Amino acid sequence: SYELTQPLSVSVALGQTASIACGGNNIGSKNVHWYQQKPDQAPVLVIYRDTNRPSGIPERFSGSNSGNTATLTISRAQPGDEADYYCQVWDSFTYVFGTGTKVTVL
Amino acid sequence: QVQLVESGGGVVQPGRSLRLSCAASGFTFSNYAVHWVRQAPGKGLEWAAAISYDGTNKYYANSVEDRFTISRDNSKNTLYLQMNSLRAEDTALYYCARGVGSYSHFDYWGQGTLVTVSS
Repeated sequence: SYELTQPLSVSVALGQTASIACGGNNIGSKNVHWYQQKPDQAPVLVIYRDTNRPSGIPERFSGSNSGNTATLTISRAQPGDEADYYCQVWDSFTYVFGTGTKVTVL
Repeated sequence: QVQLVESGGGVVQPGRSLRLSCAASGFTFSNYAVHWVRQAPGKGLEWAAAISYDGTNKYYANSVEDRFTISRDNSKNTLYLQMNSLRAEDTALYYCARGVGSYSHFDYWGQGTLVTVSS
């Protein structure tokens, strides 16, 4: 089965840039989606199909995908960006989520 | 606005059954695939099941196949998950999520309903 690997945690200074990696075999050939989940809340879609932002998501959130790694980038990090982030792909009639990354804004 | 409201969770003994519901509003329910995604306490997200817009096609994760059944009633704008032969490892918050396109992503999520399997 297809697996997606993310770092357990990422720390970023206030106002700086955080990058969250999502590793998978030839993930560059798939569409990758990203979700933000704050404590005791449902996940929220922040990036879909590698690079697209849903309406209402700040331009500070961006995505890329190539080779074996997809990346979510949070620019000018804010305290409100502290959350767990999950990548997701579809593979062989299964929806696969990454292991999740906890982002801390220092 | 799009709303998905889950219900039916609770505490159930191992081996017993439970049925979850998800009431949808704010969009044309019959035009969308819908999914169940679960999250064990303190753990990550796990997709469980999906059903196509008309109920014709159903997909399941290996971990729930043969025990869970997804269904929908488009006349009632409601999604269901019948869970049989429940195990301790099925303990989780179960989210209902709206699917986008074919085999893509989830754009709206409910707040979840908690299922606890314990003797």
